[in-house]
Amino acid sequence: ETGVTQTPRHLVMGMTNKKSLKCEQHLGHNAMYWYKQSAKKPLELMFVYSLEERVENNSVPSRFSPECPNSSHLFLHLHTLQPEDSALYLCASSQVARTAYEQYFGPGTRLTVT
Amino acid sequence: AQTVTQSQPEMSVQEAETVTLSCTYDTSESDYYLFWYKQPPSRQMILVIRQEAYKQQNATENRFSVNFQKAAKSFSLKISDSQLGDAAMYFCAYCGNKLVFGAGTILRVKS
Repeated sequence: ETGVTQTPRHLVMGMTNKKSLKCEQHLGHNAMYWYKQSAKKPLELMFVYSLEERVENNSVPSRFSPECPNSSHLFLHLHTLQPEDSALYLCASSQVARTAYEQYFGPGTRLTVT
Repeated sequence: AQTVTQSQPEMSVQEAETVTLSCTYDTSESDYYLFWYKQPPSRQMILVIRQEAYKQQNATENRFSVNFQKAAKSFSLKISDSQLGDAAMYFCAYCGNKLVFGAGTILRVKS
């Protein structure tokens, strides 16, 4: 569809588990983003990476740990999560970080923490 | 800090009718961009329309148009001739020094 893929699409994990979300973009973009989408709340921007460097971290708890090994891949490592962390996690990419350039979104990972 | 407010959690429209989704924002910046994104059920979020703050002319994209009122910090989306495929969650977004999204409006289209 839009050139941004996310795996897995669904994830159920216990509070003591460690898991990782993966995002890959095939658009040649230089910026990548992680968002958290919870019901009836604004879409929350978690992290912004520009050219593999983290340029924004919006007070996200340390139990979420992003990793950007190259400009095409972005990971979100999860450990000791809480039930309130259950949400849809969206990855996006854009030509340049935080400008008027359109963001291309992935399909999201539906995370349930039990 | 910049904020984006979408005051309508849900809206309904009859097929072929027109509907307007509201968005207001708060900022002290003079140079920024505004977007409307569409997230269909179980599908990826896509850009619907974009508006540069320095442009007075309202952006249009086929059946989608905006009413941008810079002084009032208002950025509403008008969908004309609504179609069943327009049913989705619509997000208003602000992009200046920060990138901020609203909470979204669910649009239902009745046949």
